[in-house]
Amino acid sequence: EPEVTQTPSHQVTQMGQEVILRCVPISNHLYFYWYRQILGQKVEFLVSFYNNEISEKSEIFDDQFSVERPDGSNFTLKIRSTKLEDSAMYFCASSAGVGSYNEQFFGPGTRLTVL
Amino acid sequence: KNQVEQSPQSLIILEGKNCTLQCNYTVSPFSNLRWYKQDTGRGPVSLTIMTFSENTKSNGRYTATLDADTKQSSLHITASQLSDSASYICVVIHHNTDKLIFGTGTRLQVFP
Repeated sequence: EPEVTQTPSHQVTQMGQEVILRCVPISNHLYFYWYRQILGQKVEFLVSFYNNEISEKSEIFDDQFSVERPDGSNFTLKIRSTKLEDSAMYFCASSAGVGSYNEQFFGPGTRLTVL
Repeated sequence: KNQVEQSPQSLIILEGKNCTLQCNYTVSPFSNLRWYKQDTGRGPVSLTIMTFSENTKSNGRYTATLDADTKQSSLHITASQLSDSASYICVVIHHNTDKLIFGTGTRLQVFP
């Protein structure tokens, strides 16, 4: 069964460093998403991406964040200068279509620890 | 404000027992409600999806109910197994924005 994959599973970085989180969505999906979950808190929407551009972003997704699909298979989330409060699980998701009845499939997540 | 609240926050049961998890939401208008299972350190996996016109939906030992009038949903797990130990998250999809609004989850632990 096709699934969303993410690498690395765990990333430790120093405050101020840049990190890139990678995702490989399900191959025939067209819509891609990033979410984050701070330990003990709710999953929060960060950004959605379609047709090589951001379709929607949340307040959390400030200028320190960027996304791209560099090669048609990977979908990346870059944090330019990490802060302590960026420590969280980051989940990538993809869906075949858009709209409330299109299911988003989530990857296993990347645990980001900022020291 | 569009919110999803779940109770209890955590639950411990013995293997073989049944349990019911609750979800209350204020999301309006909503198009559908989903229950997800999230194993520790993993991404959420969909269990059930219900539209506003559905009252109940089953997936094996999982049965979700929905009362759109009172804005409440429940997830009933029958004959629990050790592998049911996970967080169960209620997610409501906003009709106008298609945004997924997540609850805080209920952490279920099943002991032998």
